[in-house]
Amino acid sequence: DIQMTQSPSSLSASVGDRVTITCRASQGISNWLAWYQQKPEKAPKSLIYAVSSLQSGVPSRFSGSGSGTDFTLTISSLQPEDFATYFCQQYNSYPLTFGGGTKVEIK
Amino acid sequence: EVQLVESGGGLVQPGGSLRLSCAASGFTLSSYWMSWVRQAPGKGLEWVANIKQDGSDKYYVDSVRGRFTISRDNAENSLYLQMNSLRAEDTAVYHCARGEIGNLNYFDYWGQGTLVTVSS
Repeated sequence: DIQMTQSPSSLSASVGDRVTITCRASQGISNWLAWYQQKPEKAPKSLIYAVSSLQSGVPSRFSGSGSGTDFTLTISSLQPEDFATYFCQQYNSYPLTFGGGTKVEIK
Repeated sequence: EVQLVESGGGLVQPGGSLRLSCAASGFTLSSYWMSWVRQAPGKGLEWVANIKQDGSDKYYVDSVRGRFTISRDNAENSLYLQMNSLRAEDTAVYHCARGEIGNLNYFDYWGQGTLVTVSS
């Protein structure tokens, strides 16, 4: 199975900050990497797929990059509605696996 | 508007069974792979199973293979998860999620989920 390791597990940031979250795969996954945002008691929301493709309707302050085993999600200017937990997911092979999550909290 | 609405969760004893349903609307169910993804209380996301558009191909995570069965009824716009021999570690919110046209995919729409609690 491919293990997905996210870091940090949590972070505190202020509105307007640039935030970067890292996701590392235990083996190469080409560009089969997606990112999700989840708020408490809500369903996950798709943000990015294929490493860097923005889901329709997602603000352009979200961006993704990386290749092979190392990937990043960047929020260029954190907004109040961005405080949430973020998960990465690989879809290179079965079983489909997720990172442990990164909780973005208000500083 | 794409909507996925799960139902069927509840409290069940270890060893018991439960059948979850997911009602899909706002898109043509028969065009997409569909998945179940679960989230234990306070924990991360775990993919459980998925099923091909016509139901001819299915994949499972090892921890549920042989106990859970995913199925679909495209005419009824519904996805199902039959869960047997339930264990305490199966306690989670179960989400249905829409995949893509092809195999091995990410999920562009998710339902709110239904809570399954396995406890005596």
